[in-house]
Amino acid sequence: GDSVTQMEGPVTLSEEAFLTINCTYTATGYPSLFWYVQYPGEGLQLLLKATKADDKGSNKGFEATYRKETTSFHLEKGSVQVSDSAVYFCARSDRGSTLGRLYFGRGTQLTVWP
Amino acid sequence: GAGVSQSPSNKVTEKGKDVELRCDPISGHTALYWYRQSLGQGLEFLIYFQGNSAPDKSGLPSDRFSAERTGGSVSTLTIQRTQQEDSAVYLCASSLGPGGGSGNTIYFGEGSWLTVV
Repeated sequence: GDSVTQMEGPVTLSEEAFLTINCTYTATGYPSLFWYVQYPGEGLQLLLKATKADDKGSNKGFEATYRKETTSFHLEKGSVQVSDSAVYFCARSDRGSTLGRLYFGRGTQLTVWP
Repeated sequence: GAGVSQSPSNKVTEKGKDVELRCDPISGHTALYWYRQSLGQGLEFLIYFQGNSAPDKSGLPSDRFSAERTGGSVSTLTIQRTQQEDSAVYLCASSLGPGGGSGNTIYFGEGSWLTVV
């Protein structure tokens, strides 16, 4: 099965709405967790990350908390803007691995309307 | 350069032809990755280089796919005898050292769009 599962899109919201994009993972050990964002016409960019349980990653008003007990890393933002319209990817790696490979979810398309 | 640079940005090729995709990583980055992004498949890992060697090439989908890296810098992904199912965006990424769990951020290029007709 998938090692990273994120909610299917597309997600359509009005400006200033609250955003949650769910992400759960399966892994042995203690992976590092990431959210990447892909804006239209651009490459993947790291949005935020967390490397151990209970860590909270945050950037540009987005937050995600590493929940070991629920194996989750849900992305949240309190008030979305039109400029947040993009595809969001949850990803994990294997903590301490020297291989550096990332395992991605399938991505969630977010569209924010003014 | 400032970021990961890939070329060509777009490539249309006929089925059965060979293609080469080039990646120029961020200067000083020893780790380099190739991923593939296609509709219905999401982001698939292809191969990882540390320096010029490839400790993980488990994601290459068939023996038609190969990659090399020279001088610890530029990498080339080669697809021989292309098939229509090879149509995808091929993403290159690099990091200062092994990325992901080792703490080094992985930076992605904008990708090479490949269309096989």
